[in-house]
Amino acid sequence: GAVVSQHPSWVICKSGTSVKIECRSLDFQATTMFWYRQFPKQSLMLMATSNEGSKATYEQGVEKDKFLINHASLTLSTLTVTSAHPEDSSFYICSAPTGGAGQPQHFGDGTRLSIL
Amino acid sequence: QQQVKQSPQSLIVQKGGISIINCAYENTAFDYFPWYQQFPGKGPALLIAIRPDVSEKKEGRFTISFNKSAKQFSLHIMDSQPGDSATYFCAASSAGGYQKVTFGIGTKLQVIP
Repeated sequence: GAVVSQHPSWVICKSGTSVKIECRSLDFQATTMFWYRQFPKQSLMLMATSNEGSKATYEQGVEKDKFLINHASLTLSTLTVTSAHPEDSSFYICSAPTGGAGQPQHFGDGTRLSIL
Repeated sequence: QQQVKQSPQSLIVQKGGISIINCAYENTAFDYFPWYQQFPGKGPALLIAIRPDVSEKKEGRFTISFNKSAKQFSLHIMDSQPGDSATYFCAASSAGGYQKVTFGIGTKLQVIP
């Protein structure tokens, strides 16, 4: 079945560094992918829509210069958290729709980001 | 504004019982209503989904009931098992599910033996 893979699954780094998270669709092409953030015991909140070959669309309140999104191919979107700070520590999850109308979106297993 | 309202936020059910989670939505443009199950440290996994042209959908022990006029839908888990203990999210999307998913707040279900 359709699978979305995220890498890395867990990353710990020092404050001020930049972290790149990859989201891959393994057996289907995705012109659109979505990035969510989930704080502990909370729901998933959409951060941005990643569009292959064009600029990402960010939700209100999400800093586009801090959360850089690149959708370079039909199977790969990356989220780079630039100059990460402890408040950026969260669970980041991507998703991709597997087909046309009525087809489900599949989610990656998430990346736990911890900034020290 | 919370576009998808979910209740309860936590639920304890005995093994073999029925778990019921309710959701309501505001945006009439939503036309795809999935339920996701999430275990700690994992991404959400699609459990079952419904479109507004049907009032009920059943897959195994999981049933979605949908009331379009009331803009409400619910998940029923029959014969609940300890392995069902997880967080459940109702959600809504438009364009048949191809667009971004708006999640409810989540329900932490605990099934006790």
